Amino acid sequence: DADVTQTPRNRITKTGKRIMLECSQTKGHDRMYWYRQDPGLGLRLIYYSFDVKDINKGEISDGYSVSRQAQAKFSLSLESAIPNQTALYFCATSDHRTSGRANEQFFGPGTRLTVL
Amino acid sequence: EDKVVQSPLSLVVHEGDTVTLNCSYEVTNFRSLLWYKQEKKAPTFLFMLTSSGIEKKSGRLSSILDKKELFSILNITATQTGDSAIYLCAYVDNYGQNFVFGPGTRLSVLP
Repeated sequence: DADVTQTPRNRITKTGKRIMLECSQTKGHDRMYWYRQDPGLGLRLIYYSFDVKDINKGEISDGYSVSRQAQAKFSLSLESAIPNQTALYFCATSDHRTSGRANEQFFGPGTRLTVL
Repeated sequence: EDKVVQSPLSLVVHEGDTVTLNCSYEVTNFRSLLWYKQEKKAPTFLFMLTSSGIEKKSGRLSSILDKKELFSILNITATQTGDSAIYLCAYVDNYGQNFVFGPGTRLSVLP
């Protein structure tokens, strides 16, 4: 079944370490997104990508970087992790080439990151 | 600044009750409003609303949008324990570029 997968699912790291979270999709969607979720704050957009050559900052991009290695892969990096980046991170995809479905996002299972 | 507000933030009901969840938004260039259900991990899509006054239904869930008053409601009738989840609403701007989520309503349905 076409899917959105994230690795790792859980990660504990220390302050100052570089961390990469990976997202892959088999849906053939053109757009991909990274969100973080914190209690009481809902989902906040970190970065989004409309295609391999198009990367855009979201609401809270400071301290993060991304790479769209291929249409199916979108990775999120924390160059030097800090404790307030402890959160649940979601990758999502959407398809803007299919009429009527452009606003529907499909989410991965999430990565729980803890920065000590 | 564009924002989405949901109320209540938390709600506890008993099985069989009917609940109404609220979502209001202050946005420019509005295109659509979406509702999601989040149980354990990833949100799952419920509804997408683009036009005012047209109710979307799926089983015991229904939703409607009021673009004049800038709000949407999600109704759940005859609630079941399986309806316990966080319900998120989000708007999409007219360029399809910006998804902004509200904080969610945590619904707990007791047996």
